[in-house]
Formats: sequence, structure tokens, C-alpha cells
Amino acid sequence: LAKTTQPISMDSYEGQEVNITCSHNNIATNDYITWYQQFPSQGPRFIIQGYKTKVTNEVASLFIPADRKSSTLSLPRVSLSDTAVYYCLVVNNTDKLIFGTGTRLQVFP
Amino acid sequence: DSGVTQTPKHLITATGQRVTLRCSPRSGDLSVYWYQQSLDQGLQFLIQYYNGEERAKGNILERFSAQQFPDLHSELNLSSLELGDSALYFCASSVLKNTEAFFGQGTRLTVV
Repeated sequence: LAKTTQPISMDSYEGQEVNITCSHNNIATNDYITWYQQFPSQGPRFIIQGYKTKVTNEVASLFIPADRKSSTLSLPRVSLSDTAVYYCLVVNNTDKLIFGTGTRLQVFP
Repeated sequence: DSGVTQTPKHLITATGQRVTLRCSPRSGDLSVYWYQQSLDQGLQFLIQYYNGEERAKGNILERFSAQQFPDLHSELNLSSLELGDSALYFCASSVLKNTEAFFGQGTRLTVV
């Protein structure tokens, strides 16, 4: 099970782009990188998943370099409602779905 | 609405008691996961079921047990409750093992 490391917390202002980097040095060939968002007292919500290069959806972009040992979640033009905890997970079809401590993002007006 | 239903939403019980938390996964989802989240703590993985069979165990206490029924709903049983068991308990489901997981709104358990 590949371990992930991400910053404990980040601060930003409304309208800025936020990039949260996750390190996963021991990622295996069949692992995917997945990000979840969690608001207080709510269950996590899937944001994006990728294997390599770049993935973009209506919420975020995920950048994965060729060696796949890290990934960056990019949130364009954050708003106050993006204040949440963001979790980076490395998953495959056999392992447990383990959440680390996540990155607590605080967006200020 | 994620499509995952957890009942009850809130539960208050006394120490030493036993409770059952219920989870109905999204239609068609075969995997069910249970998590515990104490105040300001991370999500602790408890147990995973896939199509009725236990697939993975996390830090689940011996006082806790779970099962997934033929209709794919799952129940988490917590017994001999202690004050420290007070937490939010989340259930999640996914189509396959570890594809996108959808979380329920959780059951807030308070042990007094």
C-alpha cells in the first residue's frame, strides 16, 4: 500500500489558484491517484482520479509527472466554499481505501 | 445526495450498550466500506465488504463487527460501548473495489 505525504494545511484567498502536492514515492504500476474533499461533519466527496499526465474535470485538474511519484491537485479560482480537507489516496483494485491526514485548506475573503 | 443511505443519523446511548448502524449502498455498488471519524480526527478505516464477503480489515476493535447481506446492505454492530466510541461513522460504497467511492452522510454516535 503506497503511503502518501501531503501538507497539513494551506491558506489561500478567494480567486486564487491553489495547488496541493502529494508525494507517493512507492506507487505501484497498477495504482491510481485519487483525491477526495471533506467538509466538516460530512462524508468525503470524490474530486478526481488519474493515472498519468493530466486529468481535468469541472472541479479540478490533476497533474501527474512521468515518474508518478507525486501528483498535484489544482483548484482554479477558489472560493470560500472550497475551505475543506483534501485527501490524496493511492488506490488499486485490491487494497484498502485508506485516508491519510489530508490537507486542511482555508480560503480567506 | 451520494445515493448512500445511513441510518440513523444520530444516536445517543449509554456506556455498555450495543447499537447497530445501517448502510444502504448505491444501487449496483458491490463494495461497502466503514469508517470511524472522531472529533477533529482523520478517517479511520474499519472494514470493507465486497459482494457479501469481508475483503479487508482495518483498525476495527473486537467489540465491533459488521456484515454485508445478500441485498448488499451492510450493518456495523458496536457493543460494550465506551465513551471513546463517540464519533461519526461513515459508510461508503463503490461499484468495484476501490473505484470512486460514494460516502453517506454518516451516523453520529454519542456515548454518554
